[in-house]
Amino acid sequence: EAGVAQSPRYKIIEKRQSVAFWCNPISGHATLYWYQQILGQGPKLLIQFQNNGVVDDSQLPKDRFSAERLKGVDSTLKIQPAKLEDSAVYLCASSFFGGYTFGSGTRLTVV
Amino acid sequence: GENVEQHPSTLSVQEGDSAVIKCTYSDSASNYFPWYKQELGKGPQLIIDIRSNVGEKKDQRIAVTLNKTAKHFSLHITETQPEDSAVYFCAANLGSQGNLIFGKGTKLSVKP
Repeated sequence: EAGVAQSPRYKIIEKRQSVAFWCNPISGHATLYWYQQILGQGPKLLIQFQNNGVVDDSQLPKDRFSAERLKGVDSTLKIQPAKLEDSAVYLCASSFFGGYTFGSGTRLTVV
Repeated sequence: GENVEQHPSTLSVQEGDSAVIKCTYSDSASNYFPWYKQELGKGPQLIIDIRSNVGEKKDQRIAVTLNKTAKHFSLHITETQPEDSAVYFCAANLGSQGNLIFGKGTKLSVKP
């Protein structure tokens, strides 16, 4: 089966600019996650979707981050405006029952 | 809040030796414990997982043990090979249905 697709792979922006990431989960996976992975650390959950509804966004900095999952399939994560500390890899994952499958991530550098 | 602690942060072994990585978790309701391997520039890849109704699980050179009473679980890799070099993450689900909380990772280096 095809894996979790993410784009772009890399993005460099200046602080205060906006950026968007896209994720296409594995077909049939109802649950989709966005994780932030800062260099040298484990992934940290930003938001969890079940179909097109939000299950957990308690750790999403809502003043600058937003995410949506229209039609319960693809998802986009947006940052506006970006800060230097947002530099990280943004990982998308999907699951059907238990095990997560991660995409390769988008490496964001904010300068 | 709930967390997962992972040790050691770095581990260097000779090819053919065994490697052990240990994790502890705080949420007594956790019942799913996966291990992920992350190579440079890639997303984490699931290598083995264990559920709370099982004490040990093995898949070829990889095994995971779980002690629910002590709230700790471990990854064991035997006969290590250079291609095992990567960062390994443990994780536990938050509550019985919740999302995963990850440890900080262990960088494993296998020297030929």
